[in-house]
Amino acid sequence: GQQLNQSPQSMFIQEGEDVSMNCTSSSIFNTWLWYKQEPGEGPVLLIALYKAGELTSNGRLTAQFGITRKDSFLNISASIPSDVGIYFCAGQLPGTASKLTFGTGTRLQVTL
Amino acid sequence: DADVTQTPRNRITKTGKRIMLECSQTKGHDRMYWYRQDPGLGLRLIYYSFDVKDINKGEISDGYSVSRQAQAKFSLSLESAIPNQTALYFCATSGTGANVLTFGAGSRLTVL
Repeated sequence: GQQLNQSPQSMFIQEGEDVSMNCTSSSIFNTWLWYKQEPGEGPVLLIALYKAGELTSNGRLTAQFGITRKDSFLNISASIPSDVGIYFCAGQLPGTASKLTFGTGTRLQVTL
Repeated sequence: DADVTQTPRNRITKTGKRIMLECSQTKGHDRMYWYRQDPGLGLRLIYYSFDVKDINKGEISDGYSVSRQAQAKFSLSLESAIPNQTALYFCATSGTGANVLTFGAGSRLTVL
């Protein structure tokens, strides 16, 4: 089935550093979503993007819906220990109602 | 109480046993989903239901069945569990026409 290529697979950074991760696909998506999963919990929505070129922020997080509609980016500024978790991108293909396709995840570790 | 509740949270079973994972939600959403998470593979859709009388297969439905007992309840069954069904299972919900999913905390299943 359709997959989203998410990179990097994992990141080890120091507190205070900025983080960038992205998702790419060979298909066009109508919507891009970014979720965070903490240990023992389900994914929680961070940011939703609905238009090509859209740039949206949520605190220290900023995400963009790529102009080609085939990619999306998530940036985290000034990382803190509670940013630790797995970040997933998800996209909705045209004509697929509420079904989402998920990326493989980026595992983020933040060291003091 | 959580908006989306999954039971059990953890289950260890043996090959060939029948297993049911249950999901209930208090969000009043029409749409419910079952996803499976495996390391490095992200979340993959097993089954989804857009209302009580609607059941649809996702990308990896083989070996699974579901029942939508009520708007608020959606259960996933493994008729004869096998070891490669060892995974973390998530139930999720969304409102009609919406593509933002709310996830439960997950059910970790181990098949020996």
